[in-house]
Amino acid sequence: AQSVAQPEDQVNVAEGNPLTVKCTYSVSGNPYLFWYVQYPNRGLQFLLKYITGDNLVKGSYGFEAEFNKSQTSFHLKKPSALVSDSALYFCAVRRLGSNYQLIWGAGTKLIIKP
Amino acid sequence: DTAVSQTPKYLVTQMGNDKSIKCEQNLGHDTMYWYKQDSKKFLKIMFSYNNKELIINETVPNRFSPKSPDKAHLNLHINSLELGDSAVYFCASSPSGRGPDTQYFGPGTRLTVL
Repeated sequence: AQSVAQPEDQVNVAEGNPLTVKCTYSVSGNPYLFWYVQYPNRGLQFLLKYITGDNLVKGSYGFEAEFNKSQTSFHLKKPSALVSDSALYFCAVRRLGSNYQLIWGAGTKLIIKP
Repeated sequence: DTAVSQTPKYLVTQMGNDKSIKCEQNLGHDTMYWYKQDSKKFLKIMFSYNNKELIINETVPNRFSPKSPDKAHLNLHINSLELGDSAVYFCASSPSGRGPDTQYFGPGTRLTVL
């Protein structure tokens, strides 16, 4: 069965420190991988996605994510956290060749403390 | 210009009532979705339409009925509302629903059933 795991319910980081939000996936075949962010009382916003090629993907607001095929991971990173990065982050995957449906992680709450 | 819009933003109603949520996208996308986000922030796909054709119909009570009058609109009608229907409902759209397509989300409708 296809699945996405975000092993941490919450991640706490001090402002200015690097942050990592973890995501691992289980799909047959090659995946498309996505990160979305949800600010309080808002809809989900697309951050970045991995399609193919370079394993390091750069996205919005200074975020990047590294695709690691051997570890089946797609961790979200940012070199220097801002208080405004505090939000709920979702990882999602779609298997190559499948259409329409994304498999979603449970979300990770990121708290950046001043 | 709002890309994916939903009305109403908030909906408070009594058990047993019937209500509708409307969604419109002005992105020219072919595919639209309804998601339910529960109190624990889990995101669950409910329906997906591609060019007005129902593609995904997850295990959702048949009290929920989507309607797509054209590919820019996807409405959700709920009959005989129950307490467990309280949630945030998100509409989303994507160009084709295939491959690495990005989904774009509306702001959400917070439904509270009393």
